[in-house]
Amino acid sequence: EAQVTQNPRYLITVTGKKLTVTCSQNMNHEYMSWYRQDPGLGLRQIYYSMNVEVTDKGDVPEGYKVSRKEKRNFPLILESPSPNQTSLYFCASSSLAGGGETQYFGPGTRLLVL
Amino acid sequence: AQSVAQPEDQVNVAEGNPLTVKCTYSVSGNPYLFWYVQYPNRGLQFLLKYITGDNLVKGSYGFEAEFNKSQTSFHLKKPSALVSDSALYFCAVRAYDRGSTLGRLYFGRGTQLTVWP
Repeated sequence: EAQVTQNPRYLITVTGKKLTVTCSQNMNHEYMSWYRQDPGLGLRQIYYSMNVEVTDKGDVPEGYKVSRKEKRNFPLILESPSPNQTSLYFCASSSLAGGGETQYFGPGTRLLVL
Repeated sequence: AQSVAQPEDQVNVAEGNPLTVKCTYSVSGNPYLFWYVQYPNRGLQFLLKYITGDNLVKGSYGFEAEFNKSQTSFHLKKPSALVSDSALYFCAVRAYDRGSTLGRLYFGRGTQLTVWP
């Protein structure tokens, strides 16, 4: 089954404690992206990747890091989480064949930073 | 700059009535337009998309959307709403900028649709 998986689904942590949210896709997609969803703000892109070892900032990259060492994986790293990073996070992927490709989303990771 | 606007935070309709969720966009070049739906505690699910061709696009669960180039709109519609259609709906646009924004999707803020029995 074609899917994007994220782990963990729920996470409670404390300020400053490094964490990683994993994302994996099994569709051989070139493009992967991380979004955060906050009430009234919709989805805002954090980072995206066009392919292995190619990443770029989205609209709200501060406080986040990513890496793309393998095509299927795109982990999101919070080196020193702060309460304003409490949010719902989504990973997504798509191919880049022609522009009209559907973006597939993971189930989301709900993060609470105390 | 690319952007998407969903002018209504909430839309309320009675079951059986037609529904419309509005979306307008701003892009340079030809737009690729999408609608996604998010049910409570779930990720976003693809509903439909416009790439080229017929301006009326049909998608999942009986939804359709009409692309209007002159009004830069892509409104989501359904002839007869169901209570189970209640969810958060996102409009998105992809357009190709020069440089590193190739492939990016830009989302609206979302419209909460509530269908009353």
